[in-house]
Amino acid sequence: DAKTTQPTSMDCAEGRAANLPCNHSTISGNEYVYWYRQIHSQGPQYIIHGLKNNETNEMASLIITEDRKSSTLILPHATLRDTAVYYCIVSSGGSYIPTFGRGTSLIVHP
Amino acid sequence: DADVTQTPRNRITKTGKRIMLECSQTKGHDRMYWYRQDPGLGLRLIYYSFDVKDINKGEISDGYSVSRQAQAKFSLSLESAIPNQTALYFCATSDFPGVWGYTFGSGTRLTVV
Repeated sequence: DAKTTQPTSMDCAEGRAANLPCNHSTISGNEYVYWYRQIHSQGPQYIIHGLKNNETNEMASLIITEDRKSSTLILPHATLRDTAVYYCIVSSGGSYIPTFGRGTSLIVHP
Repeated sequence: DADVTQTPRNRITKTGKRIMLECSQTKGHDRMYWYRQDPGLGLRLIYYSFDVKDINKGEISDGYSVSRQAQAKFSLSLESAIPNQTALYFCATSDFPGVWGYTFGSGTRLTVV
């Protein structure tokens, strides 16, 4: 399964959009892009996933480039409660078990 | 009630003691996992089970054992706890084939003194 690359840390002002990038240049056709977040010491929480179309739910939007080699998670109006580590994972499911590496530490400041 | 429940939430134990961490789920998922997280690091897989009769080692299984008592229950044991097993432990579940995401428990903070 494809590996992912994310920036180590980012910051964002409260009320502004937070755009978290993820590079997955080796992604294959049957692999989905998933995003999770982990608020301090809590279990990771599923946010959103997509295959090739952009997706939106009540938490966030996921923009996947046409070549599928990268994606961006968008939190449209970040709040202080969005401060967390965000993990981008690529998986086709089946017997593959994704790893949760270091992710991107997002700090939302007042 | 939470979909994935871990007990205890916090535990302090002494070196050499046997300890069991329990996980139960109401998601109806076949797949269950145990992860460990050390400060400032990601999650590392300890053991996983794709169904009641299936148990598999993850990347850091040494010093740990597991038991899948039922579809809904997956326990992690430290037979003889040591200080470097002090960590945050998470249980998770997923469906088959796992493309709809993982559900995690709230974690067990274990301290071995």
